[in-house]
Amino acid sequence: NAGVMQNPRHLVRRRGQEARLRCSPMKGHSHVYWYRQLPEEGLKFMVYLQKENIIDESGMPKERFSAEFPKEGPSILRIQQVVRGDSAAYFCASSPPVARPLNEQFFGPGTRLTVL
Amino acid sequence: QQQVKQSPQSLIVQKGGISIINCAYENTAFDYFPWYQQFPGKGPALLIAIRPDVSEKKEGRFTISFNKSAKQFSLHIMDSQPGDSATYFCAASMTSGTYKYIFGTGTRLKVLA
Repeated sequence: NAGVMQNPRHLVRRRGQEARLRCSPMKGHSHVYWYRQLPEEGLKFMVYLQKENIIDESGMPKERFSAEFPKEGPSILRIQQVVRGDSAAYFCASSPPVARPLNEQFFGPGTRLTVL
Repeated sequence: QQQVKQSPQSLIVQKGGISIINCAYENTAFDYFPWYQQFPGKGPALLIAIRPDVSEKKEGRFTISFNKSAKQFSLHIMDSQPGDSATYFCAASMTSGTYKYIFGTGTRLKVLA
């Protein structure tokens, strides 16, 4: 059973460009979470999605950031007009659907975004 | 109220020693407390987790101790090995509602050979 997959693993963008980060959850998982990790810091929650629905985006910056999880295909985290402060590691996690006495989230390897 | 405070920030332990990392939370609605291990350049990997209905959980060399009244929990790594050198994160979440994790700030553990 393949784990959570993220691509690209490394992404370099110049200020003002767009960044698109992709996440394919584990097989059978329908819940996706995005977290951001700034250098030397912990992970901060950004957004929680189920198929075709955004459930909680309380950690997402109000501007330039958006996320989707379409019926088919991977979840996408999109950052428009990137700035140097967006440089970070972005992690995706997935978890199984309902009937979940626990809340295990399985993390991907991350996408390391560098903004020049 | 959503914070999880983790200490120490860094820890150096001799091989064979016990590593202890502590976390404290404020929100009493949290009911799931996982610990993650992260190596440089990798994603966090789930180590062990606990629900507040038990005070201790052990898996191999890793033990979580949980004190519900003090709103604190800790990770103990017995017989620490150089291969355990990594950054450890505690987290807290609810098993209803949004399920998002609130992470501690991490502890960088170095085990000396």
